[in-house]
Amino acid sequence: GENVEQHPSTLSVQEGDSAVIKCTYSDSASNYFPWYKQELGKRPQLIIDIRSNVGEKKDQRIAVTLNKTAKHFSLHITETQPEDSAVYFCAASKRGNNDMRFGAGTRLTVKP
Amino acid sequence: DTGVSQDPRHKITKRGQNVTFRCDPISEHNRLYWYRQTLGQGPEFLTYFQNEAQLEKSRLLSDRFSAERPKGSFSTLEIQRTEQGDSAMYLCASSLDSPGGYTFGSGTRLTVV
Repeated sequence: GENVEQHPSTLSVQEGDSAVIKCTYSDSASNYFPWYKQELGKRPQLIIDIRSNVGEKKDQRIAVTLNKTAKHFSLHITETQPEDSAVYFCAASKRGNNDMRFGAGTRLTVKP
Repeated sequence: DTGVSQDPRHKITKRGQNVTFRCDPISEHNRLYWYRQTLGQGPEFLTYFQNEAQLEKSRLLSDRFSAERPKGSFSTLEIQRTEQGDSAMYLCASSLDSPGGYTFGSGTRLTVV
């Protein structure tokens, strides 16, 4: 089955800097890659996703890139703000497979 | 409320007791998922329903766990003879497409003492 690995497990940046979180997946058939943000005590919330027919997607300060050949995808947050502090999870899934696999999470801390 | 609702938010139970959680998905979503999340880990898949049919179950779902979605709307997850290792956050999610983004509920935090 699919295996998703996420790095780093913790990331601390200064406000205004960029943050990059990387994930690798094992199943070359996976074609859907969402990112979730989970604040302390709250539900995971979808912040951006990408499908395998696209190499990059951007939404304001957040972007995701996908390298299908290398089977890795990354979340990029620019101009970080303290409210970006949370745990971020990547995930991978494919059509016909309903058990989306999540990475172990990255705790991002943005210092003011 | 157009989100995914879960009840209760917290449950403390003694080892050996049975517990039942409820999830109300977004009404237009025919797909419903149960996940378990322990501290410092990502959500782990437990089971999936399409309408009222339970189509997939993880091997994490031992015979003490049972889930239902009787009318294709809300779902229940029951854990019988709870063990301390069952302590976790139980998350419900729903979606319209597959594969597609999930909308998660706020979860039920179970503590087995």
